[in-house]
Amino acid sequence: GAVVSQHPSRVICKSGTSVKIECRSLDFQATTMFWYRQFPKQSLMLMATSNEGSKATYEQGVEKDKFLINHASLTLSTLTVTSAHPEDSSFYICSAIRTSGSGPASDTQYFGPGTRLTVL
Amino acid sequence: KQEVTQIPAALSVPEGENLVLNCSFTDSAIYNLQWFRQDPGKGLTSLLLIQSSQREQTSGRLNASLDKSSGRSTLYIAASQPGDSATYLCAVGDYKLSFGAGTTVTVRA
Repeated sequence: GAVVSQHPSRVICKSGTSVKIECRSLDFQATTMFWYRQFPKQSLMLMATSNEGSKATYEQGVEKDKFLINHASLTLSTLTVTSAHPEDSSFYICSAIRTSGSGPASDTQYFGPGTRLTVL
Repeated sequence: KQEVTQIPAALSVPEGENLVLNCSFTDSAIYNLQWFRQDPGKGLTSLLLIQSSQREQTSGRLNASLDKSSGRSTLYIAASQPGDSATYLCAVGDYKLSFGAGTTVTVRA
């Protein structure tokens, strides 16, 4: 079945540094990927929609200059947390849409395993 | 804005008991409703997807119902097992999903 991978699975960094998280669709092409963030004991919150070949669309309240998203190919989207601070520590999960060609009702969304970011 | 609520937040049952997990949403004009399982520190495993035109979906011991008019979905897990211990998340939407905070289930052996 379709698999979405994320790298790294966990990362610890110092405050003020930048961290890049990769999301890959391993056996299908994904023109659209999504990035979510999950704080402990809370629900997943959609951060942005990553579109291949165009700018990402950010949800209200998400700083686009802080969370840089690049979807340079049909199988890879990256999320870069710039100048990370302890409050950015969270679990980041991506998802990718596998389109069936028969319309949205037949498309499938696959989630990656997540990346645990800890900012010291 | 779609708000998704899951009650209870946590549930502990003895092995063999049936589980009933509730999900409510504020906007009945939903596209799909999905139930996911999340193990501690892990990603999401899709359990069941109910399209807006459907009333329920079943997979093995799992059954999920959807009542759009009342803004509710219920996930039933029959004959629970310790391996069912996890957090169960409900989400609504097409691709851009709105998630509930989840119900953490513990099945005691």
